[in-house]
Amino acid sequence: AQSVTQLGSHVSVSEGALVLLRCNYSSSVPPYLFWYVQYPNQGLQLLLKYTTGATLVKGINGFEAEFKKSETSFHLTKPSAHMSDAAEYFCAVSRANNLFFGTGTRLTVIP
Amino acid sequence: DAGITQSPRYKITETGRQVTLMCHQTWSHSYMFWYRQDLGHGLRLIYYSAAADITDKGEVPDGYVVSRSKTENFPLTLESATRSQTSVYFCASSDGTSGAKETQYFGPGTRLLVL
Repeated sequence: AQSVTQLGSHVSVSEGALVLLRCNYSSSVPPYLFWYVQYPNQGLQLLLKYTTGATLVKGINGFEAEFKKSETSFHLTKPSAHMSDAAEYFCAVSRANNLFFGTGTRLTVIP
Repeated sequence: DAGITQSPRYKITETGRQVTLMCHQTWSHSYMFWYRQDLGHGLRLIYYSAAADITDKGEVPDGYVVSRSKTENFPLTLESATRSQTSVYFCASSDGTSGAKETQYFGPGTRLLVL
């Protein structure tokens, strides 16, 4: 069975501070893992994805995520938050032709 | 313009009515998907299609019907709308042969309210 857990439905950070959004997954096979971002009234767009190979994945807008098999985690980070990072972030895991999403984390950036 | 579009963007209907949500993509992507987004649930897959005339159920298919006669179109029909189908619906497409393992490109969504 596939499931994704995102810890914290709301995260607030100050502008310039570290962003850390947590994602844990359960999978019986090596997973394909994704982070998507959704800006208000828009569809989702891909931030980054892990398939195989290097466990540290770099994405757009300065985000990166590290696949840790031993912890079944794929946390999203950014060293310095910008006001434009305010959005909802979704972690997802794929298996076969299904993509299973977490419930999302809304990021607020405080000026 | 190239991309993935959805229509209508907003729809209000009544319980029991049939509603069709349209999705069109210009990339000739083989895979297309329909999701619904609800608070507390994230996005859940309703149906997907690997190619024209090939469709399959996702996580929450009950009450929905899809068809795909052309590669670029993937309409979603609610045959008899219920209030529980009030949601935001997203269409997505992806290229390649691995379906959900590939990057998915999402449309802007359709907000549906069933009264």
